[in-house]
Amino acid sequence: EVQLVESGGGLVQPGGSLRLSCAASGITVSDNYMVWVRQAPGKGLEWVSVIYAGVADVNTYYTDSVKGRFTISRDKSKNTLYLQMDSLRVDDTAVYYCARDVSGYMGHFDYWGQGALVTVSS
Amino acid sequence: QSALTQPASVSGSPGQSITISCTGSSSDIGIYNLVSWYQQYPGKAPKVMIIEVTKRPSGVSDRFSGSKSGNTAFLTISGLQAEDEGDYYCCSYVGGGSSLHVFGTGTKVTVL
Repeated sequence: EVQLVESGGGLVQPGGSLRLSCAASGITVSDNYMVWVRQAPGKGLEWVSVIYAGVADVNTYYTDSVKGRFTISRDKSKNTLYLQMDSLRVDDTAVYYCARDVSGYMGHFDYWGQGALVTVSS
Repeated sequence: QSALTQPASVSGSPGQSITISCTGSSSDIGIYNLVSWYQQYPGKAPKVMIIEVTKRPSGVSDRFSGSKSGNTAFLTISGLQAEDEGDYYCCSYVGGGSSLHVFGTGTKVTVL
């Protein structure tokens, strides 16, 4: 059975930093395309970032609003996906989900975590 | 990249069919057959219902079907059931820039 478990959410002040973790079981993070998707309170889903599968040069992509502030990464030994969030803004407040992306381009996100709430407020 | 446009709400009676539209542009839905649809219940993670415009992943009811015409994709739910009530989001590949996917604005489906 595949399980993705997010952790690291919480309350942070504007301009602060937070690192989300997504611990996987049943799949190997480094062998899969993995994404972060967020959902602001009462709002729709927003694709945030992807990290490509493989052990060669790691390809990563970000939505424009987080580019330069967020960094997606993974730790093979811990089978864990991360999202380092710096220079946080109030509009980054959201539930952040990690998910497996089956192909990297089909938009087929088949396994999801339960979500981690990030609140950016002074 | 702007969010794809969906109607805020759609409703129907049990047993009826409803269709949700998802309008994009010639930069996303119009040129890629890479539209997926997600169902989400309150407080829960989304679940994929349709991939590549028309394909149903294993385990998804055949009451759900997808189609596309020009820059607009559609999700049809046939034989509407109470358990279908929830939020539905479309998603399209937009490749070529830094953002690879864009979601729709979401549609609340109500079973009357």
